[in-house]
Amino acid sequence: KNQVEQSPQSLIILEGKNCTLQCNYTVSPFSNLRWYKQDTGRGPVSLTIMTFSENTKSNGRYTATLDADTKQSSLHITASQLSDSASYICVVSHTGGFKTIFGAGTRLFVKA
Amino acid sequence: DVKVTQSSRYLVKRTGEKVFLECVQDMDHENMFWYRQDPGLGLRLIYFSYDVKMKEKGDIPEGYSVSREKKERFSLILESASTNQTSMYLCASSRTGEGYTFGSGTRLTVV
Repeated sequence: KNQVEQSPQSLIILEGKNCTLQCNYTVSPFSNLRWYKQDTGRGPVSLTIMTFSENTKSNGRYTATLDADTKQSSLHITASQLSDSASYICVVSHTGGFKTIFGAGTRLFVKA
Repeated sequence: DVKVTQSSRYLVKRTGEKVFLECVQDMDHENMFWYRQDPGLGLRLIYFSYDVKMKEKGDIPEGYSVSREKKERFSLILESASTNQTSMYLCASSRTGEGYTFGSGTRLTVV
């Protein structure tokens, strides 16, 4: 069964600290993996997209990694800011077609 | 600034009402999607459309219908709203093979 599992379910960190969010998937055949940030009450916004051949992609303070062999991805946030408080959603797509599997998200809260 | 616009941020409707959720995109994307998002369940696909007048059922189409008469507009219709359709509804669009652009969402409450 194609699944995307994210951990932790929620996380609270202090402003300025780093954190890492995890995404494990069983989607096959794999096409790409995306990380989205969703602020409360808003739609998700794309952070990174990685294909099979890419293992690291950065977007400012956000760095995503992908290990296609173990089917794991992580999103590392450096020097967190209060505005990083949001849900982070891992999304994995099949090769071809429109099949896209969404993880349930990790809710991050950054406090001062 | 390209975007996906959903007509309402918040809606409150009564049980049994017919509800229309509108979504417009200005990126000339061929694909458009309707998702609902509930706590702990993530995003679930209701319907999608890959061309004008074309529609495909997603994972949870029951109780919903859609309309795509123009490329830029994709409407979600709740024929007879029920309380279990209280949710956050998200519209998205994409070019085939590319990432999705999401709207800001419509929070629907059915009372």
